[in-house]
Amino acid sequence: GDSVTQMEGPVTLSEEAFLTINCTYTATGYPSLFWYVQYPGEGLQLLLKATKADDKGSNKGFEATYRKETTSFHLEKGSVQVSDSAVYFCALSTGSARQLTFGSGTQLTVLP
Amino acid sequence: GAGVSQSPSNKVTEKGKDVELRCDPISGHTALYWYRQSLGQGLEFLIYFQGNSAPDKSGLPSDRFSAERTGGSVSTLTIQRTQQEDSAVYLCASSLVGSETQYFGPGTRLLVL
Repeated sequence: GDSVTQMEGPVTLSEEAFLTINCTYTATGYPSLFWYVQYPGEGLQLLLKATKADDKGSNKGFEATYRKETTSFHLEKGSVQVSDSAVYFCALSTGSARQLTFGSGTQLTVLP
Repeated sequence: GAGVSQSPSNKVTEKGKDVELRCDPISGHTALYWYRQSLGQGLEFLIYFQGNSAPDKSGLPSDRFSAERTGGSVSTLTIQRTQQEDSAVYLCASSLVGSETQYFGPGTRLLVL
């Protein structure tokens, strides 16, 4: 079945550091790929998405590129802020129902 | 409000009792999803509705779990004879048909004592 493997956390960075959170997937067909974020005390929010190979999703300074050849969708940000502290989930959707299959989540803490 | 709403926000129940969790999707969203977020299992898909029909019930963990949707809007997830392993946050999401983007509610935190 479909699965998503995500970089284990927690990750702790200093403000303005470079962030990479690795995500790889296994899927039948042609999945769409997502990063969702869960800020403390809040619900899941879509951060960015990519629907086909070589697409780049971007939002709030975060980027991820859909790499079919390496089945990856790594999340990057050039300079993190304290406000980026949250749990980040990589996910994919396939099939007619488009239900999401999530990775295990990565807790990011950014220190001032 | 314009977002997905869920009620109750928190529910504490005793083992063996039945519980009902409610989801109000965004108006006009015909697709509705239930997920469960637990410490041991992460985020898991439970069930999907297209309109009032549930073509995919593959994620429901046991026959104690059931869900319905009426009027193409509100959905109720029912857990019968709750067990301690049912303790989790139950999330609802909705989307426009054909859209890749799901919008999540704040969740219902269920604790089974």
